[in-house]
Formats: sequence, C-alpha cells, structure tokens
Amino acid sequence: GNSVTQMEGPVTLSEEAFLTINCTYTATGYPSLFWYVQYPGEGLQLLLKATKADDKGSNKGFEATYRKETTSFHLEKGSVQVSDSAVYFCALSDQSNTGKLIFGQGTTLQVKP
Amino acid sequence: SQTIHQWPATLVQPVGSPLSLECTVEGTSNPNLYWYRQAAGRGLQLLFYSVGIGQISSEVPQNLSASRPQDRQFILSSKKLLLSDSGFYLCAWTGNYGYTFGSGTRLTVV
Repeated sequence: GNSVTQMEGPVTLSEEAFLTINCTYTATGYPSLFWYVQYPGEGLQLLLKATKADDKGSNKGFEATYRKETTSFHLEKGSVQVSDSAVYFCALSDQSNTGKLIFGQGTTLQVKP
Repeated sequence: SQTIHQWPATLVQPVGSPLSLECTVEGTSNPNLYWYRQAAGRGLQLLFYSVGIGQISSEVPQNLSASRPQDRQFILSSKKLLLSDSGFYLCAWTGNYGYTFGSGTRLTVV
C-alpha cells in the first residue's frame, strides 16, 4: 500500500543554517505530494505541494521537488529562522475518490538563536 | 468562506468515561470529512473518513466510532475511553483548495 517515510528527528539547527528534511514515498500511480507544518499548540497548515513529477512546490522560503525517479520529496530551506521551529509532515494523497492523505511520522525542527 | 470548527480544544477524561468530539464545516456542501489522530511521539493516523451522510469508513480497528448525522457534521465517539486513546485529534475536510484541518482537540485520558 501507499506509505511515506520521513527522516528521524528531532533536527536541531542554528539560525541561518541550511535545512533538509528527507521524505520518500511508496505509491502506485502518480499521487500529489505535500508538506504540512504544525507550530506548537496549533493544528496543521499546508506549507507546499506538488502535483506531478518534477514540480517544485515553494512557500515561505521552503522548497521541495517531486522526484519520481527517486520517489522523494525532500524539504529544503536555505536559511532557517527561530520561527521555523515546528513539526513538519510529509504526505501523499490517495488517488481514490476518498481523498485520503497518508502522512509520514513527522520531523521536529528546533532552531536555536 | 469555508471554515472548519472543532471543539473542545482540550479535554481531560477518566478511563471508562464516554467521549464525543464534534466537527462542523461551513461554506461548502457534501465535503469528504476525516478524523486523524496524532499519538505522542508519533505521526498522524487516519481513523475514519466519510464521503457522505451516514457513510463512515474505518481505517484501523479501535475503541472509537464516528458518525455523520448531517452533511457538514462529523462526530468522533467512544463509549468507554482507554488510556491509549490519549492524543491529538484532528478533523479535516477536502474541497477545491485541498485539505483544511481543524485546530485539533488534545485528549488526555487519566
């Protein structure tokens, strides 16, 4: 079945460091891919998405490219800020009419000043 | 505009007590609705989804049940809570702009 695997956390970085959070997936067909962010005490917010191979999603300085050949959707940011501290979830969409999202286990990012 | 309301925000319940979490959606009709749970230190797990009134699909066997008595209302219930039911519960719906999540309910079973 469909699945998503994220790198283990927590990830601790200093401000202005480069961020990569790895995400790989297993799916049949061509799912859409997403990154969601959960700030402390809040629900999930969509950060970015990509709907087909080679698409690049971007938002708030974050980027991720849909790589069909490596079944990956790694999240990157060139210079993180303290305010980026949160839990990040990679997800793919189930292509049935149910619209289910399959999530990775989440990666906690802590950015220190 | 399309919004989703979920309540309560936090809940502390004793083991063996009943549970009812409610989620309502505004500004859309016939949405797909979902209940997810995030247990401590773990990712999000889909518990139930519904594609229409009275239509409930369960993703994992568990102590919880769901109902959809109205088009834009989705309820998560339990007759007797277990300690393992503790977690962060998120309601969501899908529309033209993708998924929208509620603000979540943090349930602690003591």
